Amino acid sequence: AQSVTQLGSHVSVSEGALVLLRCNYSSSVPPYLFWYVQYPNQGLQLLLKYTSAATLVKGINGFEAEFKKSETSFHLTKPSAHMSDAAEYFCAVTNFGNEKLTFGTGTRLTIIP
Amino acid sequence: GAVVSQHPSWVICKSGTSVKIECRSLDFQATTMFWYRQFPKQSLMLMATSNEGSKATYEQGVEKDKFLINHASLTLSTLTVTSAHPEDSSFYICSARAMGGGKADTQYFGPGTRLTVL
Repeated sequence: AQSVTQLGSHVSVSEGALVLLRCNYSSSVPPYLFWYVQYPNQGLQLLLKYTSAATLVKGINGFEAEFKKSETSFHLTKPSAHMSDAAEYFCAVTNFGNEKLTFGTGTRLTIIP
Repeated sequence: GAVVSQHPSWVICKSGTSVKIECRSLDFQATTMFWYRQFPKQSLMLMATSNEGSKATYEQGVEKDKFLINHASLTLSTLTVTSAHPEDSSFYICSARAMGGGKADTQYFGPGTRLTVL
């Protein structure tokens, strides 16, 4: 079985400040991990993914995430928040041979001008 | 690359009618497509997995006779909500996995369809 926990359903940061969105996973086998972003009334856009290569993964729009096996975490960061980053962010997990994604409950990011 | 479209983007229908939603992979062939449902301010719930040319696999608790899925080609899957009722109102999102990829390969998502049943 696999699961994802996203700590903090709402996160607010000031424009220009560090963005940190937390994701912890549970998986009995090596995981594949994803971060998706969803803008209002739109589908999901892939930000980045980890599939057992480099533990520090760089994605689009300046986001990156680090896979830490010892902490079972895959937190998403961005050094400097921009107003356009305001959206819902979902962390998801699967593993080799499993085609189903398990999503976290999402974190709504608000950027304060 | 890897663009997935959905049509319509929104639909309003009367209770008891059926609604068809199309999901297309525009620039790649998709052996597998997935249908999700998302309630307001909640996460995505997988409804079914659709493989081209075969019957869809439904998640537990999803009525296969109510949510008909057809995956007739490598670029098109359809979801038909039959005899829709107000409780079927939701945001329906499809995703597609490219042909040749592993099972855990990236899913690319459509923009979603908002269904409102009056």
